Amino acid sequence: EIVMTQSPATLSVSPGERATLSCRASQSVSSNLAWYQQKPGQAPRLLIYGASTRTTGIPARFSGSGSGTEFTLTISSLQSEDFAVYYCQQYNNWPRIFTFGPGTKVDIK
Amino acid sequence: EVQLLESGGGLVQPGGSLRLSCAASGFTFSSYAMSWVRQAPGKGLEWVSGISGSGGSTHYADSVKGRFTISRDNSKNTLYLQMNSLRAEDTAVYYCAKGPNLYNWNYGDYWGQGTLVTVSS
Repeated sequence: EIVMTQSPATLSVSPGERATLSCRASQSVSSNLAWYQQKPGQAPRLLIYGASTRTTGIPARFSGSGSGTEFTLTISSLQSEDFAVYYCQQYNNWPRIFTFGPGTKVDIK
Repeated sequence: EVQLLESGGGLVQPGGSLRLSCAASGFTFSSYAMSWVRQAPGKGLEWVSGISGSGGSTHYADSVKGRFTISRDNSKNTLYLQMNSLRAEDTAVYYCAKGPNLYNWNYGDYWGQGTLVTVSS
């Protein structure tokens, strides 16, 4: 099973600042990596798939990069609505077993 | 508009059974793979099981293999999760999530709001 790790566990950022979140896979997942945002009491929301493709309706301040085992989600200028938990998830496995990272909480500094 | 509405959660004793349902609307249900993903209280996300659009291919996390069964009724636009031999560690909010294509779920582009399953005596 591919194990996903994320760092840091918590990131304290001021509104308007840049946030950089990291995700690492225990083995290569190529570009088969998705990022989600989850706010308290809500379902996860897909932000990015294919490591760098924003899904419909996601603002351009969210960007993803990386391939293989190292990935980054960058929020260029944090807005109040961006404070949430962010999860990465790989979908490279065969058989089809999908694994999530433990999450990074972005909170207000 | 894509909508996914889970139901069937509740309190069940250890060793008991429960069947979750997810009613889908706003898209051609049979054309997309679906999955169940769960989240224990205060914890992260865990993929549980996935099924292809036709229902002919299913996959399970090791933690539920042999106890849970995923299925779908494309005539009713509904996804199911039959959960048997439930354990305390199965306590979680269960989400259904739509995949981006017919054969492999890969990731969830739309999610329901979840249904809470509590396993306790």
